[in-house]
Amino acid sequence: DAGVIQSPRHEVTEMGQEVTLRCKPISGHDYLFWYRQTMMRGLELLIYFNNNVPIDDSGMPEDRFSAKMPNASFSTLKIQPSEPRDSAVYFCASSRTDVGEQYFGPGTRLTVT
Amino acid sequence: AQKVTQAQTEISVVEKEDVTLDCVYETRDTTYYLFWYKQPPSGELVFLIRRNSFDEQNEISGRYSWNFQKSTSSFNFTITASQVVDSAVYFCALSGFTSGTYKYIFGTGTRLKVLA
Repeated sequence: DAGVIQSPRHEVTEMGQEVTLRCKPISGHDYLFWYRQTMMRGLELLIYFNNNVPIDDSGMPEDRFSAKMPNASFSTLKIQPSEPRDSAVYFCASSRTDVGEQYFGPGTRLTVT
Repeated sequence: AQKVTQAQTEISVVEKEDVTLDCVYETRDTTYYLFWYKQPPSGELVFLIRRNSFDEQNEISGRYSWNFQKSTSSFNFTITASQVVDSAVYFCALSGFTSGTYKYIFGTGTRLKVLA
């Protein structure tokens, strides 16, 4: 089975531009998580979905961030407009249950200049 | 509020030495789950173990072992006979049910360097 797939792997954009990160979870996993990792703040949960429905988005930093899961095999995390402080590695993870082991994707390294 | 503390920022050992990574957690939940993940230099996080709050049995998996003690709110991870391939950042994480949803908190990680 393929693992969690994320695209793009690297993204460099200018401040003010819209950025869309994509994730394909493992088939059969009902939970999908978006994390952000920075040196300053470590690994933070942004939002997670259960059966395509957002369950907890309390970690989403501000209105510039939005996440969707239109179907069981695809999710997006959008930043509009992007700012330099959004530079980080964004991970997507999926799991069979809400407290099960999470399988992480390779991450998207975002650089906003 | 939930909290995970990994006080050791970085540890260096020589190959074949044993090493213990500390994890101390805080939670008011009676039901919670503890995890360890490994992040090798390639960057992808890899699940190592999950423990629920009702199971204090220690676990051993090959060279890895975990010691869960509710009395001290600790969930420590020991690598026996360390190898260079164990070099990575290790994260301890906590999941507790709060206000109707599970909350997931990661520690700041411990960078382990195993020297040949």
